[in-house]
Amino acid sequence: DQQVKQNSPSLSVQEGRISILNCDYTNSMFDYFLWYKKYPAEGPTFLISISSIKDKNEDGRFTVFLNKSAKHLSLHIVPSQPGDSAVYFCAASAAGTYKYIFGTGTRLKVLA
Amino acid sequence: KAGVTQTPRYLIKTRGQQVTLSCSPISGHRSVSWYQQTPGQGLQFLFEYFSETQRNKGNFPGRFSGRQFSNSRSEMNVSTLELGDSALYLCASSLGTRSLQETQYFGPGTRLLVL
Repeated sequence: DQQVKQNSPSLSVQEGRISILNCDYTNSMFDYFLWYKKYPAEGPTFLISISSIKDKNEDGRFTVFLNKSAKHLSLHIVPSQPGDSAVYFCAASAAGTYKYIFGTGTRLKVLA
Repeated sequence: KAGVTQTPRYLIKTRGQQVTLSCSPISGHRSVSWYQQTPGQGLQFLFEYFSETQRNKGNFPGRFSGRQFSNSRSEMNVSTLELGDSALYLCASSLGTRSLQETQYFGPGTRLLVL
């Protein structure tokens, strides 16, 4: 049972436009969410996180939105740059489980 | 501050053999988690260690085992390798606080190929 789902395996966006990556989860006990970026042959790199007590967190070009009632989070990248082309993973954890559940990833391609 | 390091980076083994992978966490981090990444499957959680104790494990067979040493370094062992074990194995470290509302930092991974 996939508790964290990224239903779009790929996304293409023009340079300078907004990229929106989506993630859905099923476990209402999840209280901490993270986004990672991964280039081929490298480990995932942390981008941004959000606690369930918030509905938005912003860091530079990256903003994460959390809709707890819909069990949905999204990552907005504005403006998108060619260097943002990578696979993006969302992850979630529940307090006390010492375990992060990852989605299957979305491959973002930013076209110059 | 040095990041998470994993050795070896690449490994080729044959079916039936066993393999040991090593992970050194970021200095001061006491929690180490292991993940398996295969195409289309994302990152699958293997297990998490804190202060030499396994606190949680994923749904992998007993052929997959791990341990953590007093300096927080961790090893993962896979016995009786199968072709399906070919994957990128990632190690991640974090402070390991009680709430675990914290960020995990990943190493570069070990690419294992089983022939």
